Amino acid sequence: GAGVSQSPSNKVTEKGKDVELRCDPISGHTALYWYRQSLGQGLEFLIYFQGNSAPDKSGLPSDRFSAERTGGSVSTLTIQRTQQEDSAVYLCASSRTGDDEQYFGPGTRLTVT
Amino acid sequence: AQRVTQPEKLLSVFKGAPVELKCNYSYSGSPELFWYVQYSRQRLQLLLRHISRESIKGFTADLNKGETSFHLKKPFAQEEDSAMYYCALNSGGSNYKLTFGKGTLLTVNP
Repeated sequence: GAGVSQSPSNKVTEKGKDVELRCDPISGHTALYWYRQSLGQGLEFLIYFQGNSAPDKSGLPSDRFSAERTGGSVSTLTIQRTQQEDSAVYLCASSRTGDDEQYFGPGTRLTVT
Repeated sequence: AQRVTQPEKLLSVFKGAPVELKCNYSYSGSPELFWYVQYSRQRLQLLLRHISRESIKGFTADLNKGETSFHLKKPFAQEEDSAMYYCALNSGGSNYKLTFGKGTLLTVNP
């Protein structure tokens, strides 16, 4: 079956612009996670959704970052007023239930110029 | 706070040689430990988790609570094992977020 998909695969934006990254989880997966993969920092947790609610937003690096999930399915990560340090690969993962295996998407590579 | 340390950024071995990728963790409770692998141009995928106690692709990992370690081992490395390996920790409870180490790039030379 289809795995986790993310769009766009690559995004180049100018500093100060807003960007939206999209994640389509595996159908039926109730848990959804966003991580960021950057040079020198490895993989960092950003936010966790259970259904449409986000019980853990502790990894969001600043108030410029926000995320939502609608219909228990698609999620959007929004970065406002992008900065160069936001350049990274943003990974989405989903799992059937909270404690099940997390399946990762291919990521969105964000470059802020 | 929970932390995962992978002391080796790079590890290079020859085909057929044993390989051990080190992972140490810091967490006061009873964590669940994982190894994830990312092959070239592929997405991150689960290799194994300590609670399943399985051997996947010849790899095993034993959780040592006394040494707070979860090293990944394979007795005879293959060229197709070349990849980036991440150790990860889940603190359990009702939040299943993963805390990752910074990864070890394994290269298996012919």
